[in-house]
Amino acid sequence: DTAVSQTPKYLVTQMGNDKSIKCEQNLGHDTMYWYKQDSKKFLKIMFSYNNKELIINETVPNRFSPKSPDKAHLNLHINSLELGDSAVYFCASRGTERGYEQYFGPGTRLTVT
Amino acid sequence: SQQGEEDPQALSIQEGENATMNCSYKTSINNLQWYRQNSGRGLVHLILIRSNEREKHSGRLRVTLDTSKKSSSLLITASRAADTASYFCATDGSTAGNKLTFGGGTRVLVKP
Repeated sequence: DTAVSQTPKYLVTQMGNDKSIKCEQNLGHDTMYWYKQDSKKFLKIMFSYNNKELIINETVPNRFSPKSPDKAHLNLHINSLELGDSAVYFCASRGTERGYEQYFGPGTRLTVT
Repeated sequence: SQQGEEDPQALSIQEGENATMNCSYKTSINNLQWYRQNSGRGLVHLILIRSNEREKHSGRLRVTLDTSKKSSSLLITASRAADTASYFCATDGSTAGNKLTFGGGTRVLVKP
C-alpha cells in the first residue's frame, strides 16, 4: 500500500493558470509537509500542517495556498502560475512513533510553459 | 538558505568500493538525517543521528556526527549498483513542526 501518494505525477500548464496538487497519507501521521525541489535538486520546505493547523509557512508567494481538510490530506493550490514555479513538489508526512523521519511522496513534476 | 553543504557534489565509484560523503551545517541541531533519492522518485529516509550521538550504523551505512565542527559523514560500504542515487543530509533544528533543512545532495554513481 502506498504510504504517501500525490496526484498528479506530472502537470504541464500555461502561465497564468491555477492548479492544485493533492496529497494523501495513510500512515496515521499528524504532521504533513510540502517541499519544492528545483532544477538543481535543492529541496526547500514550503509549508507544514499539524492536525490541520498551519505551523510552518516559509517565505512563499501568497499565490501558493495549502489546504488540509483533514489530517490525512494536504493539498497545494497555486494561483497565477509563473515560469519560476516549474519544479518538483514533494509532499511528506511525519509521525512520532519511530522518531522524526519523514516519509515522502513520489513527487509532482510541474512544468509551466 | 541552505543549511547544509554537501561534499562532494558527485561521486563515481566501482561496485564493491566504499562511498563517503560529507555534510556541513551552520546552526545547532536536534538531529541530522540522511535520505536517498533515486532518479525521478521521492526521498527515502536512511538513518537519523541525534545531536548527542557520535556514530551510528545501519546495515552497510555508517554515519558520524561532530557537533563541534558542525559536520556529518555518510559511509556506504561495499557499494552496489543499486546504491546509485542522490544522497541528502537534512538537519532538524527542533523548530516548531520539526522543519528539515536539506543540503544540496551528493550524486553517487556506482559502476558495475
